[in-house]
Amino acid sequence: DAGITQSPRHKVTETGTPVTLRCHQTENHRYMYWYRQDPGHGLRLIHYSYGVKDTDKGEVSDGYSVSRSKTEDFLLTLESATSSQTSVYFCAISDKGNYGYTFGSGTRLTVV
Amino acid sequence: AQRVTQPEKLLSVFKGAPVELKCNYSYSGSPELFWYVQYSRQRLQLLLRHISRESIKGFTADLNKGETSFHLKKPFAQEEDSAMYYCALSSSGSARQLTFGSGTQLTVLP
Repeated sequence: DAGITQSPRHKVTETGTPVTLRCHQTENHRYMYWYRQDPGHGLRLIHYSYGVKDTDKGEVSDGYSVSRSKTEDFLLTLESATSSQTSVYFCAISDKGNYGYTFGSGTRLTVV
Repeated sequence: AQRVTQPEKLLSVFKGAPVELKCNYSYSGSPELFWYVQYSRQRLQLLLRHISRESIKGFTADLNKGETSFHLKKPFAQEEDSAMYYCALSSSGSARQLTFGSGTQLTVLP
């Protein structure tokens, strides 16, 4: 068990609806990250957190918000889903970043 | 701004042949580089990091600061090496955000 789970694993939603993805860790790691994976773009950072209630924007943060009220949970919210947000979303955790990340299994989101 | 470039989207080699996956980076400071691998329908896994200079599953990577490269190499490819490979560069901030390349899909043919 990698100590990190994402939910849901798959979701189909309609344009304009809000969507929340959850990342849960049992490793007590300080740092948590949300990435999206798209063909030809690799993984791009959406938001990250460096502690409870401490978050910051990444490269592609427009249209997304995050919250971290507990060490173990990092929520990603699409405020009003658009088709361009159809993607695979990965959460990652890190205790000390230069030792690398541990990734979740991903959430495949389709916006129709 | 930091950037990672993987020039090959697709790479095919025959089993037993050497393989090299290219990675070039752009970064003004002292880089920390990683290779991640994603097997079909699995999560991304850390393959190796340059600071540890280790060899995982027969893969090695050497940081060449002069050429700003961190190419991944294996002398004899195996079919189970078929996967998507990502090169990543760590930022210098405390959160150590990773910047990923666009990935190379490696296929090892029988």
